[in-house]
Amino acid sequence: ELKVEQNPLFLSMQEGKNYTIYCNYSTTSDRLYWYRQDPGKSLESLFVLLSNGAVKQEGRLMASLDTKARLSTLHITAAVHDLSATYFCAVGGAGGTSYGKLTFGQGTILTVHP
Amino acid sequence: GAVVSQHPSWVICKSGTSVKIECRSLDFQATTMFWYRQFPKQSLMLMATSNEGSKATYEQGVEKDKFLINHASLTLSTLTVTSAHPEDSSFYICRPRGANYEQYFGPGTRLTVT
Repeated sequence: ELKVEQNPLFLSMQEGKNYTIYCNYSTTSDRLYWYRQDPGKSLESLFVLLSNGAVKQEGRLMASLDTKARLSTLHITAAVHDLSATYFCAVGGAGGTSYGKLTFGQGTILTVHP
Repeated sequence: GAVVSQHPSWVICKSGTSVKIECRSLDFQATTMFWYRQFPKQSLMLMATSNEGSKATYEQGVEKDKFLINHASLTLSTLTVTSAHPEDSSFYICRPRGANYEQYFGPGTRLTVT
């Protein structure tokens, strides 16, 4: 059974600081996703990582994937208040009955304060 | 524009009544739709997989007689919560299966059972 663990679960950051959210998963997968969720809203896709060593960046967020270590990171650079949200990583099923399914991490609640 | 729509976006119902939630794929045909449930401050949990023209498959622990899923056309999947109880109050989200569709979640339906 695929398990996905994020840490930290809660992150309080000062504006301007850097921090990293980690996502570990238990079995082989070739697809990892990062999502953002604002209160009362659905999920917004941030990054799709499809291969070992993949790195993607958008604004102050950068995501990477190490399939050998089964680890993905979401790095936040110079945080601003607008980044306050819950961030989820999710891992795609390998195939068969798991095809297309996503297993989610617990989520990281990020709060950026002045 | 939005790839998936849900209706209603929020609903309040009395305990013991049934509620139907619609999930529509816009501008494409979705043969398979995933239904998720999210309790406050928790992650998304897959409830069931809806297949056009055939029976839905349910995840372990999800009562198929309580959560009725119908996928009668390639653009519409419905989830009916029967005999709703307060513990069914949650945020219900659908997502189509397919290449690149992992990025697209429906906007969600917030159900409150009083």
